Amino acid sequence: AQSVTQLDSHVSVSEGTPVLLRCNYSSSYSPSLFWYVQHPNKGLQLLLKYTSAATLVKGINGFEAEFKKSETSFHLTKPSAHMSDAAEYFCVVSLNTGFQKLVFGTGTRLLVSP
Amino acid sequence: KAGVTQTPRYLIKTRGQQVTLSCSPISGHRSVSWYQQTPGQGLQFLFEYFSETQRNKGNFPGRFSGRQFSNSRSEMNVSTLELGDSALYLCASSLVAGDQETQYFGPGTRLLVL
Repeated sequence: AQSVTQLDSHVSVSEGTPVLLRCNYSSSYSPSLFWYVQHPNKGLQLLLKYTSAATLVKGINGFEAEFKKSETSFHLTKPSAHMSDAAEYFCVVSLNTGFQKLVFGTGTRLLVSP
Repeated sequence: KAGVTQTPRYLIKTRGQQVTLSCSPISGHRSVSWYQQTPGQGLQFLFEYFSETQRNKGNFPGRFSGRQFSNSRSEMNVSTLELGDSALYLCASSLVAGDQETQYFGPGTRLLVL
């Protein structure tokens, strides 16, 4: 069965330093993987999406993620954190059954200090 | 293009009551999915509708139901509310149904059951 594991519940960085949010997936098929961000009291916003076209995926707001099949990882990175990046980030896998059912990781809360 | 809209944004009910939540997808989108978000269980899939038909359902009791109208708008209903139904209910829409389709989320309806 498809699943995702977000390895850190909280990540703290200083403004201007790199961000790394880790995600490992488990899938019997070639997965579709997503990163979504949720700011406080808001819905979910898509950051980026992997669907096998390219292993390095660039998203919005300077985020990118690299699909590594050998490591079953899909880590999210950003070269330089901004205060506005403080939010909760979800790694998500789509069940490749033809049905539209997303399986969410438990989330990583990113804290950015000045 | 307007995003996914959900009404109402906030709702307070008492145990035993029922509630109906509404979701209007992005114009042209025909697939609507519903998710429940709680601190304890995280984000969980409720059901998916496409062309007025429920295509997939998550592991929720029969008290949770939904429907989709010919204009793709969707409603979900929860009957005999329990305290544990307090959650953020998120609706997502996509252009068509398919596991690689990107789902776009609304801001959610926050339900508090007293």
